[in-house]
Amino acid sequence: EADIYQTPRYLVIGTGKKITLECSQTMGHDKMYWYQQDPGMELHLIHYSYGVNSTEKGDLSSESTVSRIRTEHFPLTLESARPSHTSQYLCASSEYNTLLGTEAFFGQGTRLTVV
Amino acid sequence: KNQVEQSPQSLIILEGKNCTLQCNYTVSPFSNLRWYKQDTGRGPVSLTIMTFSENTKSNGRYTATLDADTKQSSLHITASQLSDSASYICVVSDRGSTLGRLYFGRGTQLTVWP
Repeated sequence: EADIYQTPRYLVIGTGKKITLECSQTMGHDKMYWYQQDPGMELHLIHYSYGVNSTEKGDLSSESTVSRIRTEHFPLTLESARPSHTSQYLCASSEYNTLLGTEAFFGQGTRLTVV
Repeated sequence: KNQVEQSPQSLIILEGKNCTLQCNYTVSPFSNLRWYKQDTGRGPVSLTIMTFSENTKSNGRYTATLDADTKQSSLHITASQLSDSASYICVVSDRGSTLGRLYFGRGTQLTVWP
C-alpha cells in the first residue's frame, strides 16, 4: 500500500469557512498532484507541483490554492468554501521509472461537503 | 487532442462470471498504460501497468492486454467476486514531458451481484 495520506477523510463545513485539506507522502517523491472528482466522473487535475516552492494550476480551474514548503507535504486551501466546492479531492504523488515510466500513487481522498 | 475513452460506462454481472472492459486512447507519445481500481469513496489503486512492448499482463484474476498499434487496451476479470464491484479507470501516461502527464478515462462502474 502506498505511503500517501490525506486528512480529513470526510469534512462537512458551512459556506464561507476557510478549510485546508492535508496531504503527506513519505516516499520522497518530487511530483505531487491534486485532483477533483465528482461522483461517476473522471479525475480532473487542479494543481500540481514539481518540487519544493513549485506549484502550477492544472486543467480544471479551481478557486483553491496550494503550497509546497516541504517535499512531503502538499496542502490545499479554500479561503471561502461554497456549495459548488462539494466534491472528492484526491492527492497523488509520482515517480519516474526508466523501465515503467510514470507511476502515480493516490491517497484515500477527502470527501468535502459544503452546506 | 490526447484522450482516453472507456467502455462500457457501467456493467452489471453475476458473481462468478467473467467480463471485459475496454479502453481506447489517443495519447502520444505513449509511455505506459495502467488500470486502476477505485472503490467508492477511496483513492485509485493500481492493478496493472503495461509499457509499449508488452501485450499481456496478469495480476491474479485480472488480465490486461495492450495493442499499441490500434491504441486499445482491455481488462479481463475472471470469476468475478462481490469485492470486484468498483470503478475501473484506464490511465495513460505520455513521455513528452518531464511531468509524465497522466490522462484519465472516466472509468467503468462494475457491479457484481450475488
